[in-house]
Amino acid sequence: DIQMTQSPSTLSASVGDSVTITCRASQRISNWLAWYQQKPGKPPKLLIYKASTLETGVPSRFSGSGSGTEFTLTISSLQPDDFATYYCQQYKDYSPWTFGQGTKVEIK
Amino acid sequence: EVQLVESGGGLVQPGGSLRVSCAASGFTFSHNWMSWVRQAPGKGLEWVANIKQDGTQTNYVDSVKGRFTISRDNALNSVSLQMTNLRAEDTAVYYCVRVWSITIYGMIIPGFMDVWGKGTTVTVSS
Repeated sequence: DIQMTQSPSTLSASVGDSVTITCRASQRISNWLAWYQQKPGKPPKLLIYKASTLETGVPSRFSGSGSGTEFTLTISSLQPDDFATYYCQQYKDYSPWTFGQGTKVEIK
Repeated sequence: EVQLVESGGGLVQPGGSLRVSCAASGFTFSHNWMSWVRQAPGKGLEWVANIKQDGTQTNYVDSVKGRFTISRDNALNSVSLQMTNLRAEDTAVYYCVRVWSITIYGMIIPGFMDVWGKGTTVTVSS
């Protein structure tokens, strides 16, 4: 199975900050990676797929990069609505699909 | 509007069975792989199972193999997860998810999950 490791687990930041979350895969997955945002009590929402393609309607302050085994999600100029938990997911191997453990972005 | 609505969650005793279902609308259901993803209380996301467009291929996470069965009815635009021999560790919110297919090396396979239902809660406890 492909293991996905996110860092940090928790990130404290202020409105207006730029933040970066890292996701590492245990083997090369090309760019078959998605990022999801989840707010408490809500289902996850797709933000980015194919490592860097923004889903329709997602603000341009979100960006993704990386290929192979290392990936990043960057939020430039953090907004109040962005405080949430973020998950990466690999889909190179679809049995099983695997997620990172999540990164909680909280208010500093 | 694309929508997925889960139903069937509830409280069940260890060793018991439960069936959760998902009604899809707003898209051509038979064109998409479908999946179930769960989230235990206070924990992260865990993929559970997926099913191909025509139902001929299914995949499961190891922890549910032999206990859970995913199925679909394209005429009714629905996908279900039959859960048997339930354990306390199956307690979670179960999300129904639409899957976007991708092409890798000429093969069309399930890719990322682009639409999620609101979830249904399954609690396994005596």
